[in-house]
Amino acid sequence: DAGVTQSPTHLIKTRGQHVTLRCSPISGHKSVSWYQQVLGQGPQFIFQYYEKEERGRGNFPDRFSARQFPNYSSELNVNALLLGDSALYLCASSLGRGIQETQYFGPGTRLLVL
Amino acid sequence: TQLLEQSPQFLSIQEGENLTVYCNSSSVFSSLQWYRQEPGEGPVLLVTVVTGGEVKKLKRLTFQFGDARKDSSLHITAAQPGDTGLYLCAGEGGNKLVFGAGTILRVKS
Repeated sequence: DAGVTQSPTHLIKTRGQHVTLRCSPISGHKSVSWYQQVLGQGPQFIFQYYEKEERGRGNFPDRFSARQFPNYSSELNVNALLLGDSALYLCASSLGRGIQETQYFGPGTRLLVL
Repeated sequence: TQLLEQSPQFLSIQEGENLTVYCNSSSVFSSLQWYRQEPGEGPVLLVTVVTGGEVKKLKRLTFQFGDARKDSSLHITAAQPGDTGLYLCAGEGGNKLVFGAGTILRVKS
């Protein structure tokens, strides 16, 4: 079975632009979480979606939004990009909603904002 | 705010040496996870520890959860070049995972 897939793998944007990142969870997984990993730091939680509803939100501005589709895939949207948004964006899927469920991470999308 | 501090930040050792990395917090976590992340990939779960004082072994890796569930350690015996990577600890808190900044391990042959 395929693991978590993310697209695109790399992306270059300029300040003020908008970006959409995509994630397909492992088949059968209903929960998707998004993380931001800045170089030299650990991943920081952005959102969790379960059964198409937001179940958790980290300390990120309203420029960050996400949604989950009926097939459990997910999109992360970031508006008005800032230089500080440059990071590796990771998607993780799990079977259930609980954070104690094993999370399987995708390879990430590396975003560079110039 | 729950924070996890990892030490050391960077470790470079020769093949065959032993090492320990630490994950410390002032907060109590209901469970703690260790991940390894290689360049260009997402983190991969190694182990979850739940009970204070718990010790788990995964081949040459030994994980320990502190009695008070505020800290954890990862000990690698006879490190190999394949152990090279970023080791992350993550605590379960407030229905989300809180990650430390990680320890970069480089094992030279």
